[in-house]
Amino acid sequence: EPEVTQTPSHQVTQMGQEVILRCVPISNHLYFYWYRQILGQKVEFLVSFYNNEISEKSEIFDDQFSVERPDGSNFTLKIRSTKLEDSAMYFCASSFISREAFFGQGTRLTVV
Amino acid sequence: RKEVEQDPGPFNVPEGATVAFNCTYSNSASQSFFWYRQDCRKEPKLLMSVYSSGNEDGRFTAQLNRASQYISLLIRDSKLSDSATYLCVVNIRGSQGNLIFGKGTKLSVKP
Repeated sequence: EPEVTQTPSHQVTQMGQEVILRCVPISNHLYFYWYRQILGQKVEFLVSFYNNEISEKSEIFDDQFSVERPDGSNFTLKIRSTKLEDSAMYFCASSFISREAFFGQGTRLTVV
Repeated sequence: RKEVEQDPGPFNVPEGATVAFNCTYSNSASQSFFWYRQDCRKEPKLLMSVYSSGNEDGRFTAQLNRASQYISLLIRDSKLSDSATYLCVVNIRGSQGNLIFGKGTKLSVKP
């Protein structure tokens, strides 16, 4: 069964450092997303990406965040200067149409 | 007002029990509805989409009431493996797949 894969599974970084989280969406999917979940809280939308551009973003997705699809398979989330409050589980998701989304197993980001 | 509201639980039930979860949403422009399940520290997994006429998938039945902005999930003959957090999720008309999650209802099925 096709699945969304994310690397790394856990990343520890120092405050102020840049991190890149990587995702390989399901191959025939057209919409890609990043969500985050702070421990004990609900899953929150960050950004959606379609046709090689951002189609929607939340107020969480400020100037320190960026996304890229550098080739035909990878989808990345970059956080330029990490803050303690960026510590969370980051989920990549993809969908064929903008409805049912399938999630990767997540990257646990810990900022120290 | 929270966009998607759920009873956090926990619901503690014996194996074989029937359990129902409810969810309300505040945005009348919500057009797509889903139930996801999430195991501890894992990703949300799609359980089922919810259709206006209601739909069933094995032991799981989902209902939607657009007038009351209310969604439900019924689990019959619950199994130990059903223990998880159940997330009510909506998508707003016109949004590019931006899913809005409830905080989830925790279910614990005991032997």
